[in-house]
Amino acid sequence: DIMMTQSPLSVAVTPGESASISCRSSKSLLHSNGITYLSWYLQRPEKSPQLLIYQISNLASGVSDRFSGSGSGTDFTLKISKVETEDVGIYYCVQFLEVPLTFGSGTKLEIK
Amino acid sequence: EVQLVESGGGLVKPGSSLKLSCVASGFTFSSYGMHWIRQAPKKGLEWIALIYYDSSNKYYADSVKGRFTISRDNSKNTLYLEMNSLRSEDTAMYYCAKGTNWDYWGQGVMVTVSS
Repeated sequence: DIMMTQSPLSVAVTPGESASISCRSSKSLLHSNGITYLSWYLQRPEKSPQLLIYQISNLASGVSDRFSGSGSGTDFTLKISKVETEDVGIYYCVQFLEVPLTFGSGTKLEIK
Repeated sequence: EVQLVESGGGLVKPGSSLKLSCVASGFTFSSYGMHWIRQAPKKGLEWIALIYYDSSNKYYADSVKGRFTISRDNSKNTLYLEMNSLRSEDTAMYYCAKGTNWDYWGQGVMVTVSS
């Protein structure tokens, strides 16, 4: 199974500042078709997860452009610019390269 | 508007069975693979099953393989998860999610396995 490692476990951010979350996979997520199957999700408190970013850096429909994704191979980053109170929740990275699909352990974002 | 609505959860005893449903609307259900994902209380997310758009392929997490069965009825726009031999560690919120990128999720349905 592909192991996904996220860091930090939690981050506290002042509104208006930026935050970065790292995700590392135990195997390259680059498929032979040239697509890298790494996505990011936000789970707000008491809510279902929502898609933020797919294939490393593609912004999901309706998601603020304050969210951006980068990386390649096994190392990926989610950046949240100008953090707002509505960004509070747990962020998960997920690999879609192969089954079983696997999640990072999550990063909790809090507001200072 | 895309909607996924799960149902069928509840409190059951260890060893029991339960069947979850996920009714889809707002998109062409028969064109998309569908997934079940669960979240134990205060824990992270765990993918548990995938079914292709035409039911031609099904995949499971090792934790549920042989006990859970994913299926779908495209004529009813409905996804199912049949759960047998339930264990306390299956206690979780169960979500259905649409497609390759999980761009839509249901609200979740709670399954509690306890004696």
